[in-house]
Amino acid sequence: GAGVSQSPRYKVAKRGQDVALRCDPISGHVSLFWYQQALGQGPEFLTYFQNEAQLDKSGLPSDRFFAERPEGSVSTLKIQRTQQEDSAVYLCASSTTGGGQPQHFGDGTRLSIL
Amino acid sequence: DQQVKQNSPSLSVQEGRISILNCDYTNSMFDYFLWYKKYPAEGPTFLISISSIKDKNEDGRFTVFLNKSAKHLSLHIVPSQPGDSAVYFCAANGSWGKLQFGAGTQVVVTP
Repeated sequence: GAGVSQSPRYKVAKRGQDVALRCDPISGHVSLFWYQQALGQGPEFLTYFQNEAQLDKSGLPSDRFFAERPEGSVSTLKIQRTQQEDSAVYLCASSTTGGGQPQHFGDGTRLSIL
Repeated sequence: DQQVKQNSPSLSVQEGRISILNCDYTNSMFDYFLWYKKYPAEGPTFLISISSIKDKNEDGRFTVFLNKSAKHLSLHIVPSQPGDSAVYFCAANGSWGKLQFGAGTQVVVTP
C-alpha cells in the first residue's frame, strides 16, 4: 500500500535483549517521526528526522535508544539491553514537511519485554 | 508536563446526534492543531486540522473550533455514526512538526 509500513507488528523479547524496529515511510516524505505510546496514553515524541538528518532526539528515554535513517527513507529504531518499562507501542509517522502538515502514522510495533 | 489535555476519557452519544470532544492546551506557541482517530490495533488516522490563524475548519461531518484566548479547541461530529466509535486524540504542533498529544477520548456511538 501507499501508507506508512512498520515491522514487525508484534515483538516479544526477554529483558536485556536488543531489538530493532523498522519503519517504511510514505514515498517522498521528507520528515519522519518516532513516537512511543503507553497503554491508555497518547503518543509521546521520541525523535525526528528530516531526510537522513536526525534533527531532534530529545524524547529518547535513555542512551539505550538509538534511531537512524541512513538514506533518508527507511528508518530503524533500536533499543539495547531492553527493560520492562520499554514495553509499549512504537509508532512511526511521516509527513511531506515538518510543521503545518499532518503526519501519517503506521500501525505501530507492539513491544513486550518479559 | 502535560501541555495538551483531554479531560474527558470517554463519551457516549446516540447515533445521529452530535459528538463534541474538547481539548485544552497550555503552550501559546502552538500554531497548528490536529485531531486523530484511532481504532484498536491500528495507528492514529488523521481527521482534521486547524491553523492558529483560523477559528474554524470544516470537513464533511467534522468541524474543529479553536479559541486561542481560552487555549481551547473542540471537535464536532454531526451526525454521529456507529463507525465513529473510536479513540480520538487531540494534538498540537509548536515547531517543525513535533506533536504533543492529549491522552485521548473514547467515543461510543450507540444505536
